[in-house]
This record gives sequence, structure tokens and C-alpha cells, in this order.
Amino acid sequence: AQTVTQSQPEMSVQEAETVTLSCTYDTSESDYYLFWYKQPPSRQMILVIRQEAYKQQNATENRFSVNFQKAAKSFSLKISDSQLGDAAMYFCAYKGGNEKLTFGTGTRLTIIP
Amino acid sequence: DTAVSQTPKYLVTQMGNDKSIKCEQNLGHDTMYWYKQDSKKFLKIMFSYNNKELIINETVPNRFSPKSPDKAHLNLHINSLELGDSAVYFCASSHLDRGSGGYTFGSGTRLTVV
Repeated sequence: AQTVTQSQPEMSVQEAETVTLSCTYDTSESDYYLFWYKQPPSRQMILVIRQEAYKQQNATENRFSVNFQKAAKSFSLKISDSQLGDAAMYFCAYKGGNEKLTFGTGTRLTIIP
Repeated sequence: DTAVSQTPKYLVTQMGNDKSIKCEQNLGHDTMYWYKQDSKKFLKIMFSYNNKELIINETVPNRFSPKSPDKAHLNLHINSLELGDSAVYFCASSHLDRGSGGYTFGSGTRLTVV
């Protein structure tokens, strides 16, 4: 079974600085998809960014980018120019051939004004 | 226009009661899911339906029974509620076999069993 590990339960960053959230996963599949979801205090799950495993190029969405290392099975999220509205739980997630989205345990991100 | 809507948003009930949570999506997706988020924020899939057919059924007590009257609706009925059922329940939808498509989530139902 696929597993997703987020080793940082909590992170904090100064406003306007850059922070990187870590995620590793375990799979025997070669074709899969990876996601980062954000869950603010409103508890809504919001898709931040996605990456197809067959693509070498790292995905970027405005201030959010990923560092995808397929051989290392690592998928980190970089948030640049951190803003107060970025404060949330961030979940890394994996989707393979069974279409099931498997989540990591989450990282709580605090933004320091 | 809410893409995935769940009702109710909050549900407080006594042990032993039976309750239902409803979910509807207007995205035209063919697959819907129920996830449970526990007090430690861990999200775990419970069920998935594709075009009204059950395709994922994780190890969940028989007291939980999903029902999908059509591909736009997936309801969750819980019998004989227990304290441990207290959690946030999320409904989600997606297109199966659309590869990189993530799920679209509802806003969750916070169930508290007292």
C-alpha cells in the first residue's frame, strides 16, 4: 500500500519569507500523481498544486512551487513571499492507479507577522 | 454556486442515535468519496462510488452505510453512533480516469457524539 509521510508536524515562517514543507511517499507504481492541499481554519480542503509523476518539470502556481524528486520519492512544497493567508494545515497526497487519494499527516504552517 | 455541498455542516447527537449526512456535487463528476478526518487531522478514505457503483470500501464498521441514488449524490448513514465516530466527514468528487485531476472537497460535516 502507498504511504505518504510528512515529517514536520509544525512549521513557522516570517511573513514575506520562503518556507519549504517536506513530503516523502512510498510506492511501487511508476505512474501516479501528487498533490498539495491546504486546509485553513475554515476546514475547507483547497487544492494548491499538482504534479504528474511522468513530468520532469516541477509544477508552479504563482508563489507555490514543488521540488519533485522521483527517484528519492520526495515531493516538497515551497511557498515564496509568505502571506498571513497562507497559515493553514498543508497535506501532501498521492493518487495512483486505484484512484484513491492517500494523505499524509499534515504540517501546520504558522505565519509570523 | 457551491461545487460540492454537504449538509449539515454541524451535527451534535447522542450515542446510539442514527444520523445521515448528505452530499451533492454539480461538477458533472462521475465519482464521489467519503473521507473521515479525526481529531489529529488525519484524513482517511471510507468509501467511493463511481456512477452509483461502490468501488472503494475501506475497513469501516458496518454501522456506516453509503448510498448513491445517482452520480451527483452520495449520502452517508450512520447507525448506533458511538463516541469514537466524532470527527469531521468530508465528501469529495472527481472524474475517474482523468489522471491528474485532484478531488474537489465539500466543506465538511463536524459530527459530535455525546
